[in-house]
Amino acid sequence: DVKVTQSSRYLVKRTGEKVFLECVQDMDHENMFWYRQDPGLGLRLIYFSYDVKMKEKGDIPEGYSVSREKKERFSLILESASTNQTSMYLCASSYLGGGYTFGSGTRLTVV
Amino acid sequence: QQQVKQSPQSLIVQKGGIPIINCAYENTAFDYFPWYQQFPGKGPALLIAIRPDVSEKKEGRFTISFNKSAKQFSLHIMDSQPGDSATYFCAASKHGGSEKLVFGKGMKLTVNP
Repeated sequence: DVKVTQSSRYLVKRTGEKVFLECVQDMDHENMFWYRQDPGLGLRLIYFSYDVKMKEKGDIPEGYSVSREKKERFSLILESASTNQTSMYLCASSYLGGGYTFGSGTRLTVV
Repeated sequence: QQQVKQSPQSLIVQKGGIPIINCAYENTAFDYFPWYQQFPGKGPALLIAIRPDVSEKKEGRFTISFNKSAKQFSLHIMDSQPGDSATYFCAASKHGGSEKLVFGKGMKLTVNP
């Protein structure tokens, strides 16, 4: 069964901390994505990557960066966490022309 | 600018009812239209998808209807069950799905027993 694994289900961090969210897929997919999900706002794309070492900004990249050093791993970095980054973060992967497979999400709380 | 508009935001139906979720899109270059289902505590999962060469696609109790001239597509759930209670997202993409998906804002469905 194909999988996208997010390293943490729940995370609590302090304002100003640097936060790393990790995502690993075992499907050899080219494309990987990071979304945040907030009530009433749906899924908003933060960053995506079509290949190793490539990254593209999504709709809300401010305050975030990403890293894709290996095909199977896509990391989301919050450079200096703020309370307005409290959210559910979802990672997804896909092959060219295929549907997305999502991870179960990381619920991040910044206090 | 919201490229994919989804309605309603929430819906409550009785078991056996037929909830209908509607989506409208702006970009005529979109040619791949999937629906995702998300249960609480889980990530969204692909439910069913349609391409504009057909007007309807059915998988089990789930049916997508597609109206290219109106730039609208909808999801119908036949004989809905309490286990269908979830959030449903429509989405659209260009180039057969090879470009990134644009999602609607989601609809929370509750099916009462």
